Amino acid sequence: QVQLVQSGAEVKKPGASVKVSCKASGYTFTSYTISWVRQAPGQGPEWMGWISTHNGNTNYVQKLQGRVSMTIDTSTNTAYMELRSLRSDDTAVYYCARTSGWYEDYWGQGTLVTVSS
Amino acid sequence: EIVLTQSPGTLSLSPGERATLSCRASQSVSSTYLAWYQQKPGQAPRPLIYGASSRATGIPDRFSGSGSGTDFTLTISRLEPEDFAVYYCQYYGSSRTFGQGTKLEIK
Repeated sequence: QVQLVQSGAEVKKPGASVKVSCKASGYTFTSYTISWVRQAPGQGPEWMGWISTHNGNTNYVQKLQGRVSMTIDTSTNTAYMELRSLRSDDTAVYYCARTSGWYEDYWGQGTLVTVSS
Repeated sequence: EIVLTQSPGTLSLSPGERATLSCRASQSVSSTYLAWYQQKPGQAPRPLIYGASSRATGIPDRFSGSGSGTDFTLTISRLEPEDFAVYYCQYYGSSRTFGQGTKLEIK
């Protein structure tokens, strides 16, 4: 069965970086784009961007341009999302999700990233 | 940038009743790119509807989606206890957009 398993919770200080992993199984990794979505406490989801697992092309939301990087390792079927220069308003649950056609059909369990001094 | 506005913010209903949730886009969008998700506390969003009206895998037929242009609707025909959750619509453009959500609560 399709599974996306993410890395564990992180606590970071302002200005630091965080890298979240998302290991896929149960399907052909390179056949589906991976998207990253975050959700601040009590807020709705916010799409961060996607990465093509076929060629590594990326598309990031404008507000995160310059601070976010999405990468893949096809040898381990793992996607990564790195966010730099963390601020308190980056505190959120970060999700990876598989994109099928025009929606996200499978989601990881989420990774809580807390930014606090 | 497309903005999605959901209404109402909170909907209070009883099990067995019919729920109608609205999602309005700031400009006309293709129904192909409109999806609905359900989210329960502590869980990831779960896809319900894609292409405005197609049910995702494993979604019961009491859930239905409709609409076109700027106005879209998610209908739950007879509410089950497990349906009380937050519902989001999403536009699948070059930059994905989510609505702010409708909380469906037990009356």
